[in-house]
Amino acid sequence: SQKIEQNSEALNIQEGKTATLTCNYTNYSPAYLQWYRQDPGRGPVFLLLIRENEKEKRKERLKVTFDTTLKQSLFHITASQPADSATYLCRAGNMLTFGGGTRLMVKP
Amino acid sequence: DAGVIQSPRHEVTEMGQEVTLRCKPISGHNSLFWYRQTMMRGLELLIYFNNNVPIDDSGMPEDRFSAKMPNASFSTLKIQPSEPRDSAVYFCASSLGGGDTEAFFGQGTRLTVV
Repeated sequence: SQKIEQNSEALNIQEGKTATLTCNYTNYSPAYLQWYRQDPGRGPVFLLLIRENEKEKRKERLKVTFDTTLKQSLFHITASQPADSATYLCRAGNMLTFGGGTRLMVKP
Repeated sequence: DAGVIQSPRHEVTEMGQEVTLRCKPISGHNSLFWYRQTMMRGLELLIYFNNNVPIDDSGMPEDRFSAKMPNASFSTLKIQPSEPRDSAVYFCASSLGGGDTEAFFGQGTRLTVV
């Protein structure tokens, strides 16, 4: 069956370091992937979209890659800050399905 | 624009009762999504409308769930009869185009069925 998966374990990093989150998909070839941020008690907020013909997309401190060979997207936050602490979700094209999300904790 | 507006924000109901959740999408958006979020199952797509027409309702759990979009500015998700396992946060989202455009989410409705 088609699946989109993220590491369910929380990621704890020190302020200033780069956070890297992973989104893997199986039995599926999405035309694009989206990344969202969700804070407690709120709905997800869109961050970036990357299409299958794009290897990399950047927005300020955020970078997303899309590797169709590995069937994986990586989401990077450089120079992380405590305010970046949240749950990050990936959403696969066509299926409109979200991964389970990865909780990021940035410690000062 | 005020964004996607959902009501109520919180709903507590007894098992067996009918529950109706409401959503007003962003004006001009032609796609609307209903999602359900729980700790166990994450964020699940229930149904997707495009131009007020249901395109994909494969995520609707069972016949107890129904969704309507009578016009471009209003949608409802109804559960009848409600069961404790329906307890979750229900999100409505809208977008300008299809799934490849940014989805804007409402604040969600936290439903508790006792």
